[in-house]
This record gives sequence, C-alpha cells and structure tokens, in this order.
Amino acid sequence: ETGVTQSPTHLIKTRGQQVTLRCSSQSGHNTVSWYQQALGQGPQFIFQYYREEENGRGNFPPRFSGLQFPNYSSELNVNALELDDSALYLCASSSGPGQPQHFGDGTRLSIL
Amino acid sequence: AQRVTQPEKLLSVFKGAPVELKCNYSYSGSPELFWYVQYSRQRLQLLLRHISRESIKGFTADLNKGETSFHLKKPFAQEEDSAMYYCALPLYNQGGKLIFGQGTELSVKP
Repeated sequence: ETGVTQSPTHLIKTRGQQVTLRCSSQSGHNTVSWYQQALGQGPQFIFQYYREEENGRGNFPPRFSGLQFPNYSSELNVNALELDDSALYLCASSSGPGQPQHFGDGTRLSIL
Repeated sequence: AQRVTQPEKLLSVFKGAPVELKCNYSYSGSPELFWYVQYSRQRLQLLLRHISRESIKGFTADLNKGETSFHLKKPFAQEEDSAMYYCALPLYNQGGKLIFGQGTELSVKP
C-alpha cells in the first residue's frame, strides 16, 4: 500500500510569486484535504476535495485554490505569495469524507 | 465556535513517570476526538480516537463531556514517547475537516 506522497519537499519563493504543491493520495483513497501548519501551531484546514469537487473550505482567501484529478491526486495553488504564507503544507487523504485521514510528510514553503 | 485547546506547549518528564497531556474542546453536540502524534522526522499519524476506546502504546484518553476534555494519559513514560502530540476534533458535517490544537511537545528524559 503506497502512502500519501507530497512534492516538492522544500520550496523557496519570493513575495508576489505563485506556487503549486502536489499530493498523491494513498491507494484506494478518493478524498484529499490540505492543511497549513505555521511554525509552532497546529495544522489549519485549507480545503478538501472529494471526487474532483471542492467539498469544504477553511478560512483562507481565494488566492488559495486547488484541483483534484481523476486519479485523486491533488494540487494546491497559491497566488500572490505573502510572507505569512511561509509554512508547512500538509496533504491528507482518506477513503471518503469523514474517514480517518492519512498525512503526507508535507512541503515546507519559505517566502523571502 | 469549534475549538481545541492544548494549554501546554512543552511537557518534560522523566522516564517511568506518569504523563498527562491536556486537551480541552469547544463543540456543541456530541464530539468525537482524536490524538495525533508526530515523532521526530516522521509524518503526523493517528494515535488513538476516543470512539475506539483502545490503548495504543500504553496511552489512553477518556472523553469527559462535563469538563469538555480529552486528556491523553500514560502511567509510565518511555523515552520513545518523546514527540509532538496534537489533539483534533473532526467536523463530520464539514467532510471530516480536522480542527487541531496547537500541540504539546513531550520530552521524556532518561
């Protein structure tokens, strides 16, 4: 069974740029959730995708957007990067909304 | 509003001592709660959920609705228990979105 994989591991960007983070869900999982974890904080829910549709969104501005593909992998896109976007971005997949979530290792994004 | 609070950022104990990591929640309704753990250089993983009422790696947690708490306990801490621990509240009417506490770092000294 392949677990959740995220790429890249680390990324450095400058303010105003755009970034795309990628997540491959665990085999058999059709639901992907994205979380932002700032330093010293717990993860915060960004949004969830279920069967290629957005299925809930946290308190994040529209410049945070996502996609889910037919193979259930997912992308998180962030436009007009700000310094406060520096964080660890976690992807979690599950066999359905409300089912236990399995996390990836995360992508550490640094904004200069 | 739904919220999870972990009042201690760091908890340091000696090996063999009892451990209690505190978690309080705010939720209208009957909650389910989880404890997640993150060992050094490893990914976040589910440790236990109150609904299963099981003991994992010697840890237990009881949901106390009167005190709105879900504290994680272990009678005798081991060095390998050193990790970050997060309490989390799933919102099933929102796709199971997880509300996390800020986390408690447990350090078990030899």
